[in-house]
Amino acid sequence: DAGITQSPRHKVTETGTPVTLRCHQTENHRYMYWYRQDPGHGLRLIHYSYGVKDTDKGEVSDGYSVSRSKTEDFLLTLESATSSQTSVYFCATGTDENQPQHFGDGTRLSIL
Amino acid sequence: GQNIDQPTEMTATEGAIVQINCTYQTSGFNGLFWYQQHAGEAPTFLSYNVLDGLEEKGRFSSFLSRSKGYSYLLLKELQMKDSASYLCAVKAGSYQLTFGKGTKLSVIP
Repeated sequence: DAGITQSPRHKVTETGTPVTLRCHQTENHRYMYWYRQDPGHGLRLIHYSYGVKDTDKGEVSDGYSVSRSKTEDFLLTLESATSSQTSVYFCATGTDENQPQHFGDGTRLSIL
Repeated sequence: GQNIDQPTEMTATEGAIVQINCTYQTSGFNGLFWYQQHAGEAPTFLSYNVLDGLEEKGRFSSFLSRSKGYSYLLLKELQMKDSASYLCAVKAGSYQLTFGKGTKLSVIP
């Protein structure tokens, strides 16, 4: 399976603070994705990347930004965290658009 | 927009067969994926259908009817370890997957 590492795995922070989540992959996959998973909503796409410096918005992108300066790293930033962004965040990667996505182990983020 | 429906919960007996349905309404269709997710863990890929028909992979099979906007995941010879959530996801655009809310399957002895 794809080597995908998410960090941190758990984080508790306060409303209004900036938060950055990191996704690191060792498989040289072109595509990378950030999802959030909440009870009653399933997995929802926040942002995705189809190459270095190439990113686009997903379904729930408000309040989030991303950067991809090299193939292996995809960063998700909450500029000013809100309690509604408390969630489990998953990173995923894929070799091309028709291949299955492989998921990291997730980051559990709590914003108080 | 896209809409994907799956039952919220199902219960089945160890050793039995269970079918988890997924219906979808999308603008465009480029494939349907099934994922398994154990509680507290990451989703893992199970199957992919892009053409009509049945795809079999061991104890798991997945079926697709594009004209009906319908898929199902069939699990045979259920084991306790199959207790998990099963996620249906549709690819309608070029890069994005849209996931259903998932079906939580409980396997009982």
